[in-house]
Amino acid sequence: GEDVEQSLFLSVREGDSSVINCTYTDSSSTYLYWYKQEPGAGLQLLTYIFSNMDMKQDQRLTVLLNKKDKHLSLRIADTQTGDSAIYFCAPGYQKVTFGTGTKLQVIP
Amino acid sequence: KAGVTQTPRYLIKTRGQQVTLSCSPISGHRSVSWYQQTPGQGLQFLFEYFSETQRNKGNFPGRFSGRQFSNSRSEMNVSTLELGDSALYLCASSPAGTAAEQYFGPGTRLTVT
Repeated sequence: GEDVEQSLFLSVREGDSSVINCTYTDSSSTYLYWYKQEPGAGLQLLTYIFSNMDMKQDQRLTVLLNKKDKHLSLRIADTQTGDSAIYFCAPGYQKVTFGTGTKLQVIP
Repeated sequence: KAGVTQTPRYLIKTRGQQVTLSCSPISGHRSVSWYQQTPGQGLQFLFEYFSETQRNKGNFPGRFSGRQFSNSRSEMNVSTLELGDSALYLCASSPAGTAAEQYFGPGTRLTVT
């Protein structure tokens, strides 16, 4: 099955950019999603990229995909304290596999 | 549109009992998936239903089962509860024919004592 790896923790200062990385093994993944989970809540779909794209920008969010290296990243510009959450990458199509999640801590 | 709703939000059960969790998807969504989230194992896929049929299944024992009704509402059942079944159970619905773009409910927190 698919393996999806993320670093567990990232700490950034408010106003800086955050970059959350994800590596996966299944090259047939058609969609690559990013989800956000705040404490005590379910997951919120943030953005996604199709496998035939290299980059997608959506307001403060930029997704980069390196299909050759099976590497996905999510950049959050001007990170705010409200961005503190766990971020999951999820490649797939009929079925998605969620990464381990990266806990983002934003320091005021 | 109303979001995905899950009931109950919190549940405490004893080992050996069984439990049924309910999920109402976003109106018009036909795909419903269930996940188990624990600190140790992370987010693990249980199963997915589409038009009342189980389309995908994760690697969980047969004690975990589910079903979907004609109105797309779904239930999952866990029989003979074990302590290790304590987790947050998340339901997600999807508008398309795939399970990829999913909208999650707030989850049901199950505690087994």
